[in-house]
Amino acid sequence: DAKTTQPTSMDCAEGRAANLPCNHSTISGNEYVYWYRQIHSQGPQYIIHGLKNNETNEMASLIITEDRKSSTLILPHATLRDTAVYYCIVSHTGTASKLTFGTGTRLQVTL
Amino acid sequence: DVKVTQSSRYLVKRTGEKVFLECVQDMDHENMFWYRQDPGLGLRLIYFSYDVKMKEKGDIPEGYSVSREKKERFSLILESASTNQTSMYLCASTRPPGDLWGYTFGSGTRLTVV
Repeated sequence: DAKTTQPTSMDCAEGRAANLPCNHSTISGNEYVYWYRQIHSQGPQYIIHGLKNNETNEMASLIITEDRKSSTLILPHATLRDTAVYYCIVSHTGTASKLTFGTGTRLQVTL
Repeated sequence: DVKVTQSSRYLVKRTGEKVFLECVQDMDHENMFWYRQDPGLGLRLIYFSYDVKMKEKGDIPEGYSVSREKKERFSLILESASTNQTSMYLCASTRPPGDLWGYTFGSGTRLTVV
């Protein structure tokens, strides 16, 4: 699976958009980009995933560059409850695939 | 709601003890996983299982074993606990194949080995 690089930490004011970048320059054609987050004292929670096209759901938007070497997770109106560690994971699908987590980005949403 | 239940939230064990961490899921998921989480290291995969009685080593299996006798239950075993196994342990389950968006995690067991 391709390696990802994320900033260690970021701050965001409540109500503003939080834009979390992820570099995955060695991504291959059949690998997806997944985002999970982990709120303190809980297990990780799925947010969104994509292959080539931008994706949006009720939690977030995922913007993938045309060359697929980087992506951005967007939380459009961050709240204090969005304070968490966000993990960007790149992996192929298939029976033998599994999630491999890095150290993620610690997002702090402030008043 | 899909539930993954880990039997203990906090556990304190002595060095050399045999330790069992239990995980049960109620959604008939085929795949189950054990991770440990340490500060600065993120989540690391210990073992996983794609079916009953099947097991595969993850990235850090040394010092651990697993048991999957029933589909809903996946146990992590520390044969002889050591202080470097003090950590947060997280269990997860998902359906195949390659259902990487559908992982459901338990709340974790914080194990301290003294």
